[in-house]
Amino acid sequence: QQPVQSPQAVILREGEDAVINCSSSKALYSVHWYRQKHGEAPVFLMILLKGGEQKGHEKISASFNEKKQQSSLYLTASQLSYSGTYFCGTDSGNTPLVFGKGTRLSVIA
Amino acid sequence: GAVVSQHPSWVICKSGTSVKIECRSLDFQATTMFWYRQFPKQSLMLMATSNEGSKATYEQGVEKDKFLINHASLTLSTLTVTSAHPEDSSFYICSARDRTIEQFFGPGTRLTVL
Repeated sequence: QQPVQSPQAVILREGEDAVINCSSSKALYSVHWYRQKHGEAPVFLMILLKGGEQKGHEKISASFNEKKQQSSLYLTASQLSYSGTYFCGTDSGNTPLVFGKGTRLSVIA
Repeated sequence: GAVVSQHPSWVICKSGTSVKIECRSLDFQATTMFWYRQFPKQSLMLMATSNEGSKATYEQGVEKDKFLINHASLTLSTLTVTSAHPEDSSFYICSARDRTIEQFFGPGTRLTVL
C-alpha cells in the first residue's frame, strides 16, 4: 500500500525550514528518502531502519518512528538547490520500495 | 555509491513497434532489479521485480505479455515494450539492489510513442 506524504507541496524562502512527513498503514522495516528534479531520476538521500533511528546529512535529516509507522524529513536553512519533489519509499521487509505521491518543494530567493 | 545505467536515455517510436530498454549495474552484482514507470507529475509506480535467472513478478494491472522483462545476468535486465501505443509514453526507471536493502536507480528512459 502506498505511503501517504504530507504536505503535497510547500514553498519556502531561502533559509527557511521545512518538514515532510511520510506515514504507512503497514509495518515498516525501512524508509528511504529520495529527491527528484524535473526530468531526472530520483537521487538517494538516506535510508532509515527500524529501531527509531535518526540520520542527518548536512542540513537534511530524518527520523523514523516504527511504532507509529511514520518518518519525517527535516530540511533546515533551505537552499535553492533543495527544490524538487521529495519521495519516501517504504519497505516492509525485503520487498520492493513503494513510493508515496511526493511532496513538491520550491525554494525561492 | 553504486552506479546503474540505462540505455537509451530517450526513444521515440511509432505506434505498434517494440522498444527495448536496458538496465545495467556497473560496479556491483544486482540480485534483484526493479522496473518503475512514472507519468508526468506522478509518483514512481512499480511495474515488476526481476531476479536473475527467474521469471519476473509483475504488479497487479501490469500486462506481462506487453512488458517483457528479462534478467539474464547479475548485471543486466531488459524491459521490452511490445506493440507500443501512445498511452505507453512515460518515464521508465530501473533500480537495482545487491544483497543490501538499498536500491540504486538508473537515470531513466523517456519513451514517446507517436
